[in-house]
Amino acid sequence: EAQVTQNPRYLITVTGKKLTVTCSQNMNHEYMSWYRQDPGLGLRQIYYSMNVEVTDKGDVPEGYKVSRKEKRNFPLILESPSPNQTSLYFCASSVKGSRDTQYFGPGTRLTVL
Amino acid sequence: GESVGLHLPTLSVQEGDNSIINCAYSNSASDYFIWYKQESGKGPQFIIDIRSNMDKRQGQRVTVLLNKTVKHLSLQIAATQPGDSAVYFCAETSYSSASKIIFGSGTRLSIRP
Repeated sequence: EAQVTQNPRYLITVTGKKLTVTCSQNMNHEYMSWYRQDPGLGLRQIYYSMNVEVTDKGDVPEGYKVSRKEKRNFPLILESPSPNQTSLYFCASSVKGSRDTQYFGPGTRLTVL
Repeated sequence: GESVGLHLPTLSVQEGDNSIINCAYSNSASDYFIWYKQESGKGPQFIIDIRSNMDKRQGQRVTVLLNKTVKHLSLQIAATQPGDSAVYFCAETSYSSASKIIFGSGTRLSIRP
């Protein structure tokens, strides 16, 4: 089954404790992207990747890092999480870019205390 | 900055009626628009898209209208069903920034029996 998976689905952590949210797709897509979703603000793009070893900032990249060492994986790293990073995070992938249909993962709800 | 917004945050319609969800965009360079549906607890799902060289596109029970003169986008759902209950997002992107996508804040559609 073609899908985008994220882990963990739920995470409660404390300020400053490094964490990684994994994202994996099995569709051989070149483009992958991370979004955060907050009430009243919709989805905001954090980082995106056009292909392996090619990543770029979205609209809200501060406090986040990503890597794209393999085509299928695009982990989101929070080196020192803060409470303002409490949010619902979605990973998405598409064939080539944002102009192709994006397939979203199920989301990761992160709470930073 | 550029923004994509929605006229109404919530919309309640009678089952069987048609629904119209509106979206305003401000980036005149945007030339590709997408509607996504997000059900509770799930990631956004592609519904329909339209390119700027079109003013109307139809899918199964859904129609998207694009008015470039007033920078307005709408999603029409015919014969609304309980399964249509969700939050609907419009999104925009442009050829010049093909890697980035901007989402609106969303409209919640609820169906009255």
